[in-house]
Amino acid sequence: QQPVQSPQAVILREGEDAVINCSSSKALYSVHWYRQKHGEAPVFLMILLKGGEQKGHDKISASFNEKKQQSSLYLTASQLSYSGTYFCGTDLSGPSSGSARQLTFGSGTQLTVLP
Amino acid sequence: NAGVTQTPKFQVLKTGQSMTLQCAQDMNHEYMSWYRQDPGMGLRLIHYSVGAGITDQGEVPNGYNVSRSTTEDFPLRLLSAAPSQTSVYFCASRTGTANSPLHFGNGTRLTVT
Repeated sequence: QQPVQSPQAVILREGEDAVINCSSSKALYSVHWYRQKHGEAPVFLMILLKGGEQKGHDKISASFNEKKQQSSLYLTASQLSYSGTYFCGTDLSGPSSGSARQLTFGSGTQLTVLP
Repeated sequence: NAGVTQTPKFQVLKTGQSMTLQCAQDMNHEYMSWYRQDPGMGLRLIHYSVGAGITDQGEVPNGYNVSRSTTEDFPLRLLSAAPSQTSVYFCASRTGTANSPLHFGNGTRLTVT
């Protein structure tokens, strides 16, 4: 039930691009993306809801393909501040307000941006 | 707004001891949850609650108890600590709507010797 993230780790130079993938064996209602710096709590980046939308946040964007049960996070022109571990969290609950809404997280992708 | 507050930040226990990790949120969120984070394992859900008086098990509930007597508080109890429970514990909360993010506390680093 845990989503699968790939790659497990990636090393970039400043200014390079990266893609992190998240796939699920179950139908997804939404996908969350979080970034965690060493020794800190995960920080929310964005949510993508069922409907195949794409979202952007500065030079970080994401897509959600509900048919393939996959989401991808795109980091463009990486900055040193992008370093950290990226987690996708999947919500299988559905739209009703009575749903439990628990998130199941992947094992993370460690991104290192070098100067 | 304090957000999600966890105490303590660090704790060392001996095998067999019990303790309670505290979590409080001031955002009136219905949903609260506890995760543990181990190297290479990501965040694994221990227990969650969708409102006061309602709790349920997550992926790895064994050895942990929770209760939710108020909307604000969601303590996690370790009944008899084991070395396998050495981990970083995060409490998180969100509203019940589909597009609401999880707000995490700063974590509790627990070592069981």
